[in-house]
Amino acid sequence: NAGVTQTPKFQVLKTGQSMTLQCAQDMNHNSMYWYRQDPGMGLRLIYYSASEGTTDKGEVPNGYNVSRLNKREFSLRLESAAPSQTSVYFCASSESLRALGGAFFGQGTRLTVV
Amino acid sequence: GQQLNQSPQSMFIQEGEDVSMNCTSSSIFNTWLWYKQDPGEGPVLLIALYKAGELTSNGRLTAQFGITRKDSFLNISASIPSDVGIYFCAGRPGGSQGNLIFGKGTKLSVKP
Repeated sequence: NAGVTQTPKFQVLKTGQSMTLQCAQDMNHNSMYWYRQDPGMGLRLIYYSASEGTTDKGEVPNGYNVSRLNKREFSLRLESAAPSQTSVYFCASSESLRALGGAFFGQGTRLTVV
Repeated sequence: GQQLNQSPQSMFIQEGEDVSMNCTSSSIFNTWLWYKQDPGEGPVLLIALYKAGELTSNGRLTAQFGITRKDSFLNISASIPSDVGIYFCAGRPGGSQGNLIFGKGTKLSVKP
């Protein structure tokens, strides 16, 4: 059981470069999320997708775009990376937005923007 | 936006001691969750609470959903070295889309 798989695990970007973080889940979950984690800040929601075909902004969406490619996959794109986007990014999924039992997380992507 | 106040931020304890941490909110939450994050890993769900006053255990871990629905605590009994990590509370605000709001974490370090 893979659960939630994120790629890549590590990435270094130069300021202004673009990249897409990939996320896939094999639990047939409807809802998927992207969080960023910074030291002392906990996890903050960037974007989420309640179900296939829908996406909504979270707490810190600026500088990011997302695509819910299908039920399994939810990608996060940085169009023009900035040093402030250096962070650890986590993808998560749950049966629904209100699913009992919380969300399941991937192992994270550690992104450094220089 | 809504915030959760999690305390303490960090703690050092002697192996075998009991640990207590809590989260508070200024608004009502419908669900409280407790996660643990090991270094280099994503958070893993430990306990989920759905009703005010609910007390739930998972091995040496016990968590409670506060009666006011604005707080929750997590207790770890007889701590061991593998309890080291960061513990996060998370909640679903009442009347919201259902998105999880996370506390800033409690970093637990155990002296062997």
